[in-house]
Amino acid sequence: QKEVEQNSGPLSVPEGAIASLNCTYSDRVSQSFFWYRQYSGKSPELIMSIYSNGDKEDGRFTAQLNKASQYVSLLIRDSQPSDSATYLCAVNLVNNNDMRFGAGTRLTVKP
Amino acid sequence: EAQVTQNPRYLITVTGKKLTVTCSQNMNHEYMSWYRQDPGLGLRQIYYSMNVEVTDKGDVPEGYKVSRKEKRNFPLILESPSPNQTSLYFCASSLFGRLNYGYTFGSGTRLTVV
Repeated sequence: QKEVEQNSGPLSVPEGAIASLNCTYSDRVSQSFFWYRQYSGKSPELIMSIYSNGDKEDGRFTAQLNKASQYVSLLIRDSQPSDSATYLCAVNLVNNNDMRFGAGTRLTVKP
Repeated sequence: EAQVTQNPRYLITVTGKKLTVTCSQNMNHEYMSWYRQDPGLGLRQIYYSMNVEVTDKGDVPEGYKVSRKEKRNFPLILESPSPNQTSLYFCASSLFGRLNYGYTFGSGTRLTVV
């Protein structure tokens, strides 16, 4: 089982819709969770971090964490074509003191 | 500007010719790491360093070397590159022990080995 799993997509949503991206992780003691956005050929850019159960909102982005289900998600409201990118879920594994990444979900927002 | 600088951005080389990819950060971060990114496999860690003169293997260290003689620099060395090392490489840094702040990534190096 992979440590961090994401649906590879592609996920396609119309402009203005809500995009929902999901991620599961295997290490129960993971403490920190991140979403990175990566445009094609570019480096990952941190867009959200979340550390406790519940929701965290930042502008059009909402991260949701459920540690009991080992599940973290990212909602993008009012999706824009500029949101079209690959979204990487990352988890800080306490035991290894490093970051593990999912393979990413490719999102396309159609005008 | 706080940043991680990688060079070169693009590199085409031949099998067996030693090369070095440089990485430098200006944020006084203790923790630095190298990743490679391949389609369908995501980001895989090659080596990481928790501080000067402290380095350790990641998930895919074979064929790579690193050094950390100064806090700001963490070069990646391929002593004898092979075609299976063709990939997109990223250097990343973070404050040690505070990975909950996430990584800052360099702009990437696209390496092709022919």
